[in-house]
Amino acid sequence: QVQLQESGPGLVKPSETLSLICAVSGYSISSGYYWGWIRQPPGKGLEWIGSIYHSGSTYYNPSLKSRVTISVDTSKNQFSLKLSSVTAADTAVYYCARVYGGNPDYWGQGTLVTVSS
Amino acid sequence: EIVLTQSPGTLSLSPGERATLSCRASQSVSRTYLAWYQQKPGQAPRLLIYGASSRATGIPDRFSGSGSGTDFTLTISRLEPEDFAVYYCQQYGSSPPMYTFGQGTKLEIK
Repeated sequence: QVQLQESGPGLVKPSETLSLICAVSGYSISSGYYWGWIRQPPGKGLEWIGSIYHSGSTYYNPSLKSRVTISVDTSKNQFSLKLSSVTAADTAVYYCARVYGGNPDYWGQGTLVTVSS
Repeated sequence: EIVLTQSPGTLSLSPGERATLSCRASQSVSRTYLAWYQQKPGQAPRLLIYGASSRATGIPDRFSGSGSGTDFTLTISRLEPEDFAVYYCQQYGSSPPMYTFGQGTKLEIK
């Protein structure tokens, strides 16, 4: 059973960098698939942030591309998200997910990140 | 950029009734990459349908998907109490690589 677990600070100050890690169990990232980050502001819909392949190739949402970095650490079977220069608009539940055939199939439980001073 | 528009925004039905949810794309999308998700409060989305009409593992057969081109439909044949949730459609486009979600349909108990 594939399982994903997000971790990282729940509170980030404006203008700082949000950093999250997604630990994967039950499946080796090196075996394939894309792995992605998706966020959901409180009470709103879902927004794709970006995806990474085990080789390290990445795709980012154009609206966030200038601030996003996604990387993978196959030795630890995890991937990470960095979002720079955050504002209150970046407050959201952040999900990591495995992407199968263009559709996220396994999701983490999500972690709420609040941007506030 | 492809925009997915879901309708209605809210659907009020009773258990046992049939639910029909719509997802319309601003331009033609590949059936292969059209999916539907269910999200309950405080939970992550759950994949229901992929490839427009294939049920994901463990999804009851009362859930079905159909459509092609710009118009897709999720049908729940007979609503169970646990089906009341928010539903999202989602598509993947390769040029450029981009994942898009609809704004969601809230299915509530009447």
